[in-house]
Amino acid sequence: NAGVMQNPRHLVRRRGQEARLRCSPMKGHSHVYWYRQLPEEGLKFMVYLQKENIIDESGMPKERFSAEFPKEGPSILRIQQVVRGDSAAYFCASSSPTGGAGTQYFGPGTRLLVL
Amino acid sequence: AQKVTQAQTEISVVEKEDVTLDCVYETRDTTYYLFWYKQPPSGELVFLIRRNSFDEQNEISGRYSWNFQKSTSSFNFTITASQVVDSAVYFCALSVLTQGGSEKLVFGKGMKLTVNP
Repeated sequence: NAGVMQNPRHLVRRRGQEARLRCSPMKGHSHVYWYRQLPEEGLKFMVYLQKENIIDESGMPKERFSAEFPKEGPSILRIQQVVRGDSAAYFCASSSPTGGAGTQYFGPGTRLLVL
Repeated sequence: AQKVTQAQTEISVVEKEDVTLDCVYETRDTTYYLFWYKQPPSGELVFLIRRNSFDEQNEISGRYSWNFQKSTSSFNFTITASQVVDSAVYFCALSVLTQGGSEKLVFGKGMKLTVNP
């Protein structure tokens, strides 16, 4: 009974490159949430997705960031043309259709370092 | 605005001391959840507790206890007889309804606890 999986766990990119972060939710979960933790800060909500739909992207930066959760496969958070300020830990959480935030399970996070 | 305030940013104690981590929240929802998470130096988030807004009973789990006071919008966390392994950053969080009917979590900024031997 695997938990939420994220890969890679660590990612190093140079400025201007693209970063792709993957999240596989727990079995039976169809809701995915992405959060970002900047250094010395708490986690901030970015986006909430269900299969093939973005439900709430109110926390996503307007440019360079996108997220998807296809019918098959993991959810992807994509950051284009990364800048140093994108260096952070990115956490994914999942829940069942009936669970909501009351039953969100977090993955181990991906630490992105932009050189 | 819905937010979580952890007024203490850093606390340092000596092993075996008791320590209380404060959390104050603001919400317009009538039903919500409150959480505490631990983030050790390894970086993962460790779930500690979830409390429903309708359940104001205090809870004790080993050396951990939680005091939920709806009247003061507080959800404080006490570690009794602290140990070095308790050293971590602790986050308080609040569930907030989103568009689409689901919920997201709003986190406090965290409190770094250092327990010295």
